[in-house]
Amino acid sequence: IAGITQAPTSQILAAGRRMTLRCTQDMRHNAMYWYRQDLGLGLRLIHYSNTAGTTGKGEVPDGYSVSRANTDDFPLTLASAVPSQTSVYFCASRNRGNTEAFFGQGTRLTVV
Amino acid sequence: AQSVTQLDSQVPVFEEAPVELRCNYSSSVSVYLFWYVQYPNQGLQLLLKYLSGSTLVKGINGFEAEFNKSQTSFHLRKPSVHISDTAEYFCAVSEKDNTDKLIFGTGTRLQVFP
Repeated sequence: IAGITQAPTSQILAAGRRMTLRCTQDMRHNAMYWYRQDLGLGLRLIHYSNTAGTTGKGEVPDGYSVSRANTDDFPLTLASAVPSQTSVYFCASRNRGNTEAFFGQGTRLTVV
Repeated sequence: AQSVTQLDSQVPVFEEAPVELRCNYSSSVSVYLFWYVQYPNQGLQLLLKYLSGSTLVKGINGFEAEFNKSQTSFHLRKPSVHISDTAEYFCAVSEKDNTDKLIFGTGTRLQVFP
């Protein structure tokens, strides 16, 4: 089934550890996004990428990094996790700015 | 940079009543506007979008939204809601530039009561 896949589904992580959330899409979309969803704050954009080889900062980029080595993959890395990064993380992709974004099922991350 | 404000964090309504979920945006350039819905423990799916042309946009599940440029609003409406419409609704904006950034509001929880 075509779509966007996130892994892992959930994770409990010790503070200070490094973690990479994976995101893969098979729709050949140009743009990809990472959001975090927190109660009362909605979805906040962490980083995005317009096309392979380029990335940009979103609303809350601190503590996170991304790479876009190819069209399909857009991993999100927490270099040294902190409890405030406990959240549900969603990856999304779309072709261009006027098109629908498709979302993964999310990764629930708990930093303890 | 663009931003989105959803004025109501929660909207309770009885079944078969009409509902309006409010959304205002801010941008220095022209925008594309979207409404997404999130059912419990799921990802987001598109309800409708405004790109250009007619300001009244119809979407899935009987929802519609009206773009008002002068008021920078894009309110979502449904004339008669169902229990199954209970969900979180998000307004989103994307500027008509080359960044492809997509910014969401804080969401409105629609709770439909029997």
